[in-house]
Amino acid sequence: KAGVTQTPRYLIKTRGQQVTLSCSPISGHRSVSWYQQTPGQGLQFLFEYFSETQRNKGNFPGRFSGRQFSNSRSEMNVSTLELGDSALYLCASSTTVNTEAFFGQGTRLTVV
Amino acid sequence: AQSVTQPDIHITVSEGASLELRCNYSYGATPYLFWYVQSPGQGLQLLLKYFSGDTLVQGIKGFEAEFKRSQSSFNLRKPSVHWSDAAEYFCAVGTYSGGGADGLTFGKGTHLIIQP
Repeated sequence: KAGVTQTPRYLIKTRGQQVTLSCSPISGHRSVSWYQQTPGQGLQFLFEYFSETQRNKGNFPGRFSGRQFSNSRSEMNVSTLELGDSALYLCASSTTVNTEAFFGQGTRLTVV
Repeated sequence: AQSVTQPDIHITVSEGASLELRCNYSYGATPYLFWYVQSPGQGLQLLLKYFSGDTLVQGIKGFEAEFKRSQSSFNLRKPSVHWSDAAEYFCAVGTYSGGGADGLTFGKGTHLIIQP
């Protein structure tokens, strides 16, 4: 069974631009969560989707948004990029909302 | 709000020696607890989980963890480490409300160094 796939693996963007990251969950998994990982703040929860609905959102500004499609694939978008948005963005999928999460390898975003 | 504390930022262990990584959590209800491992530049791999039942849980790669409610702890152990165990280890607590996942709350991680 294929794991969680995140694309692209690496991105370099300029301040003020926007970016879209993609996540394909494990087949059959309907819950997708997103996390931001930085050296200073560690791993922080961004949001969680289940059956195309955002269930919960972490403490991030409105520039961070996401969506989930009917096939459970998810995208997250960051608008008006700031230098501080440079991070590893991790996607995780699970079968339901209260089972273990399986993580992808992440997308490394660098904002210059 | 829930929180997870991993008191040790770095731990150095000799190859073949035993290992214990500490994790303390703060959460009002019965938590879902996890240990993940991350190699450089990689995502997180689940080592083991505790949802309920037996407080000693076995995971992959020879790891085990013990849930102690009275101490709010979920320490990770391995009887004999291998050089390939060198990585970053994260303890996490999962919380769920209203049918949705509030997301995992992670500790800051423990960097494990293996000495030959």
